[in-house]
Amino acid sequence: QKEVEQDPGPLSVPEGAIVSLNCTYSNSAFQYFMWYRQYSRKGPELLMYTYSSGNKEDGRFTAQVDKSSKYISLFIRDSQPSDSATYLCAMSAWRAAGNKLTFGGGTRVLVKP
Amino acid sequence: DGGITQSPKYLFRKEGQNVTLSCEQNLNHDAMYWYRQDPGQGLRLIYYSQIVNDFQKGDIAEGYSVSREKKESFPLTVTSAQKNPTAFYLCASSIAERGRRAFFGQGTRLTVV
Repeated sequence: QKEVEQDPGPLSVPEGAIVSLNCTYSNSAFQYFMWYRQYSRKGPELLMYTYSSGNKEDGRFTAQVDKSSKYISLFIRDSQPSDSATYLCAMSAWRAAGNKLTFGGGTRVLVKP
Repeated sequence: DGGITQSPKYLFRKEGQNVTLSCEQNLNHDAMYWYRQDPGQGLRLIYYSQIVNDFQKGDIAEGYSVSREKKESFPLTVTSAQKNPTAFYLCASSIAERGRRAFFGQGTRLTVV
């Protein structure tokens, strides 16, 4: 079983809808949680960064962390066709060697005009 | 503009050949990383370096080698010992004490012909 599980999708939504993405994980030592956006044939771009539990909002993006359930979420409000991409969750433990990140497999999102 | 530059964007390798992927950053980041991305899988760590002249193996280091002679540069060599080298290779860097926030280059697509 993978340390971080993420539904591969694709997740198709109409423009303007809320996109809801999530990851589950098994390693209780994870303390740092990130969401990256990756367009086709491009490098991942850091969207959100959260330490420990709680919510964080940045514009149309909201990240939530529930450590008790080992579950993290990303919500995209008022979705646009330009939000069509693959979204990767990533996590790291407090004393991870080299500050190593463990990634989910990514969820492909399609926002239809 | 500050950033991470990977070259070339596309690379073709013949069987039994070694190839070197370039990664340069001008962000003054201490730590640098190499990841491999295969379809449907998350990023997997190949090697990382937190300081010049020092580097450590990641999860899938077999068949790869690196060097870190300068802070700005972290080249990756894919050797003939790597049996399945066709993949998308991503270089990342971060500030060591804030290592979880990794920033990525645009990737190199390596194909064996």
